[in-house]
This record gives sequence, C-alpha cells and structure tokens, in this order.
Amino acid sequence: SYELTQPPSVSVSPGQTARITCSGDALPKQYAYWYQQKPGQAPVLVIYKDSERPSGIPERFSGSSSGTTVTLTISGVQAEDEADYYCQSADSSEVVFGGGTKLTVL
Amino acid sequence: EVQLVESGGGLVQPGGSLRLSCAASGFTFSSYWMSWVRQAPGKGLEWVANIKQDGSEKYYVDSVKGRFTISRDNAKNSLYLQMNSLRAEDTAVYYCARGQYSSSWCYFDYWGQGTLVTVSS
Repeated sequence: SYELTQPPSVSVSPGQTARITCSGDALPKQYAYWYQQKPGQAPVLVIYKDSERPSGIPERFSGSSSGTTVTLTISGVQAEDEADYYCQSADSSEVVFGGGTKLTVL
Repeated sequence: EVQLVESGGGLVQPGGSLRLSCAASGFTFSSYWMSWVRQAPGKGLEWVANIKQDGSEKYYVDSVKGRFTISRDNAKNSLYLQMNSLRAEDTAVYYCARGQYSSSWCYFDYWGQGTLVTVSS
C-alpha cells in the first residue's frame, strides 16, 4: 500500500491562481487523477492521466507532474470553484486517494 | 446520459449485513470495470472494491477483505456490494462509480449520488 499526501487547505482570492499539490512515491510510475467535490454532491473528475481534461471541464483547470509531486492548477479562480479536491492514483490491484484539500475562495 | 443510481443503504447493527445495489444506464454496462468508493461523514474518499467487466477479477481494500463482496449482473445492468460483519467504521456514503481501467491505471469518470450506510446499535 502507498500514500498520497495533500495539504488540508488552500485559500485564494477570486481571479487568482490556485495550486493544489499531491505527493507520493509511486507518482513517477503511475498517473494521477483529480476530483472536485462540492458539499452534498458526488465527486466529479476534473483531470485524468496527470494533465488531460475531460469534456465539459473548464480550461482553467489543468494538471502537471514532476517527480513525486503532481499539481492541480486552477487559473482565474471563480467562487464556484470552492470545493474539496482529491488526487487519486492506482496500480493494477489497488486504488488510493489523497486526503483531500479544501479550496476556499476568499 | 450516463446514470448510476445506488440503493440499499440504511441503519444496521454492528455485525449485521446489508446489500447495496447500483442501477446503471446510458452506457454499455458490460464493457466497463465498476467500483465502489465510500466516504465516512466529514472524511475523505476511500476506494472499496473493483470488478472487471465479466466479473472474473475483483479487488478490495484490505479493511473489507473477507467481509465485503462485489458482484455484477450484466443482464440487469446492475452492480452490487454485499456487506457482512459490519462495523461502526464502515459507516459512510457508498458511491458506485464507472471505471476506466488498464493494467497500469484506473480512474472513475462517472459517479452515482451515493447511499448512506450507518452501522450503529
């Protein structure tokens, strides 16, 4: 088993850029995925395979990877982006989520 | 439109059993891996189990091995989770999720709205 580590919280003002990191020893060998979850709602996939964006996800969401750290970047943050964000990775038999990061839009 | 609708949650005593169901529509169910993911109240997401398209491969998180069983009925477009020997720490919202899967990656592109399981005396 392995772990993914995220900061518990990130705060940003509207229009600024938010960066949420996720660290794990397995990340150089495995893709990372990002989910957005708003209160009382199911998670929504916002980034897959480190940097790919599903259809319907705004272009302000992007992902990158460097060594043991992957980063979700939200450019021009909007009030509606306030949510919990989870990174996730997997191998052939195990799926792991990070602990989640609460993004607060000030 | 892809839809996943969970049912079967409720209040159960410690040591009891419960069977969750997930009805899928809007896609070819038999072509996809499927999964259960749970979220304890106020906590983060935790993967529970995966099942291959034909049910021939199943994987579980260590904490539920031997107690939970994932299964599917492709003729009914349905996914199930049989939960036995339930513990208080199994209390969570259980989500059904469609998986995109290969030998080296797995992620969830569609999720249901979840069903709440509460284990308490």
